[in-house]
Amino acid sequence: GESVGLHLPTLSVQEGDNSIINCAYSNSASDYFIWYKQESGKGPQFIIDIRSNMDKRQGQRVTVLLNKTVKHLSLQIAATQPGDSAVYFCAESVQGAQKLVFGQGTRLTINP
Amino acid sequence: KAGVTQTPRYLIKTRGQQVTLSCSPISGHRSVSWYQQTPGQGLQFLFEYFSETQRNKGNFPGRFSGRQFSNSRSEMNVSTLELGDSALYLCASSWGLLNEQFFGPGTRLTVL
Repeated sequence: GESVGLHLPTLSVQEGDNSIINCAYSNSASDYFIWYKQESGKGPQFIIDIRSNMDKRQGQRVTVLLNKTVKHLSLQIAATQPGDSAVYFCAESVQGAQKLVFGQGTRLTINP
Repeated sequence: KAGVTQTPRYLIKTRGQQVTLSCSPISGHRSVSWYQQTPGQGLQFLFEYFSETQRNKGNFPGRFSGRQFSNSRSEMNVSTLELGDSALYLCASSWGLLNEQFFGPGTRLTVL
C-alpha cells in the first residue's frame, strides 16, 4: 500500500550512476542522524547513521556526509541499482531522546 | 534474529471506536517507539518506552496512549477514532537509548 506522501521531491538516475540525496535538518542541537529507506508497503529500513562528532561515514555502497555549519546531511549511493528505488528519509535526534524527527523524504527512481 | 513484528497488519474501524495495536521488538531490545505516517504530515513521533516507562511523548492528543510490558512488548491505543487517524502506525525498537532504531512493517489503520 501507499506508504508515503504524494508530492515528494523526486530524484531520477540512470542505473549504474551515483545518487546523491540531500536533507536539511532543523535542530542545531541534534547530534545523531540516520538515513532510512522505505519501499512501498514496508516500514523504514535502516541504511546508515552518523553522530555529530563525525563529518563522513561510509557503508556498503553508501556514504553519509554531515555539514553541521549549514545543517545539511547527504546520502550518496554508488552504482545505483533497480533495488535502490524507494523513498529515502533523513532523521535527526538528540542523543538519549530516542525521538526521531524525520524529513519529508525523497523518492529515488532508477531508469534502466 | 527476527525483526520487529506488528499486529494486526491491517485494520478498519469506524469513527468513535477505539483500537489497540501491538508491537513485539527485536529480542533483547528494550526501547520501543511509535510513529504515525500519513501522506500529509509524514512520519511523526508518538511516544517512546524504555523499561516499561514512557520517556518521551510527541504532540498528539490524549486519545493516543501506550504502554510497555515487562517483556518489552508494547501496545498503543487510540480512543474515539477520527477520520484523520487513518495512517500507517510504525513501531521501532532499539537495544538502548543511543542506538539505531529498527522499524516494523507497520499497521495500516483505516477509519471510516
